[in-house]
Amino acid sequence: GAVVSQHPSWVICKSGTSVKIECRSLDFQATTMFWYRQFPKQSLMLMATSNEGSKATYEQGVEKDKFLINHASLTLSTLTVTSAHPEDSSFYICSAGGRGQGYGYTFGSGTRLTVV
Amino acid sequence: AQSVTQPDIHITVSEGASLELRCNYSYGATPYLFWYVQSPGQGLQLLLKYFSGDTLVQGIKGFEAEFKRSQSSFNLRKPSVHWSDAAEYFCAVANQGGKLIFGQGTELSVKP
Repeated sequence: GAVVSQHPSWVICKSGTSVKIECRSLDFQATTMFWYRQFPKQSLMLMATSNEGSKATYEQGVEKDKFLINHASLTLSTLTVTSAHPEDSSFYICSAGGRGQGYGYTFGSGTRLTVV
Repeated sequence: AQSVTQPDIHITVSEGASLELRCNYSYGATPYLFWYVQSPGQGLQLLLKYFSGDTLVQGIKGFEAEFKRSQSSFNLRKPSVHWSDAAEYFCAVANQGGKLIFGQGTELSVKP
């Protein structure tokens, strides 16, 4: 079945630094990738949608200059949290959909970001 | 606007007992519906999905769900729960743009 690899699984960074999270589709071409944020004991909040080769579309209230998304190839999308602050600490999850995948996008295993 | 409601935040069942997790949706057109499971610190795994056709959908790990248009529901069931089923369960609907709209989630605990 479809597999999405997300790295790192956890990261600790200092306040003010930037962190990059990668999301790779291993066995299919991901034409669309979604990035979610999840707070403890809460549901997933969609941050942005990216289509290969085009700019990401951000949900209302999400700072696009803070959360940079790049989807330069059909197998890789990255989320960079710039100038991270403690309030950016969260669980970030990507999901990918591609040709033949239909709905029911495949999710990565998530990245736990802690900003100290 | 589309929305998904999971009325039960937390459910506890005994191992071997049957399970039903409730999900109600609000969507104008024919919905694409999903159930996902999430273990602590992990991503989401698709249990099953409904697009059209037979309203009783079979999924992985012995789960099934029934789509009831008249009740705007898509409840998840399992006849006999195992301790390993303890996790967070999310119901979701896909909108026309392909975005998934999630419910609040139901945390399942399993008593030995």
